[in-house]
Amino acid sequence: DVVLTQSPLSLPVTLGQPASISCRSSQGLVHSDGNTYLNWFQQRPGQSPRRLIYQVSTRDSGVPDRFSGSGSGTDFTLKISRVETEDVGVFYCMQGTHWPFTFGPGTKVDIK
Amino acid sequence: EVQLVESGGVLVQPGGSLRLSCAASGFTFSNYWMSWVRQAPGKGLEWVASIKQDESEKYYVDPVKGRFTISRDNAKNSLYLQMNSLRAEDTSLYYCMRGLRLGDSWGQGTLVTVSS
Repeated sequence: DVVLTQSPLSLPVTLGQPASISCRSSQGLVHSDGNTYLNWFQQRPGQSPRRLIYQVSTRDSGVPDRFSGSGSGTDFTLKISRVETEDVGVFYCMQGTHWPFTFGPGTKVDIK
Repeated sequence: EVQLVESGGVLVQPGGSLRLSCAASGFTFSNYWMSWVRQAPGKGLEWVASIKQDESEKYYVDPVKGRFTISRDNAKNSLYLQMNSLRAEDTSLYYCMRGLRLGDSWGQGTLVTVSS
């Protein structure tokens, strides 16, 4: 199975400051159809996960543009340009290229 | 607006069975792959199973193979997960999710607790 490793696992941030989460895959995530199915989800406390970014860098509708995704091959990054209070929660990367699809362990973001 | 509403989660004894349901609305259900994802209390996310639009393809993760069966009824806009031979380690919040590789919409989850 593809193992996704996220770092850091805990990320205390100052409001208004940037934050970055790394997601590394044990295998390349380019599918035979040419797409890279690396997605990012946010799970706020007590809520279901919601998708922020799909296929590495495409932001979902309604997601603030302070969120951005990048990367290729086995190394991917989610960046928040200026952290806001509503960004508190756990962020997961997820690969949809190789079955079984897998999630990273999650990065808990909270405010310092 | 896409809505996914799960139901059926209860407390069940080890070895027992349960069927989860997911009622979908706000989109053409028959056009989408559908999936189940679970989350053990205080833990991360684990893919469980996925089903193609016409049920011609179904995928399961190893821990549930042979025990869980995913199915759907496109006429009723509903997704199901039949869970047999339940174990303590199946205790989780089970989410219904639209899609296969992209997982763009999630329900609020239904809690399954396996305990004697």
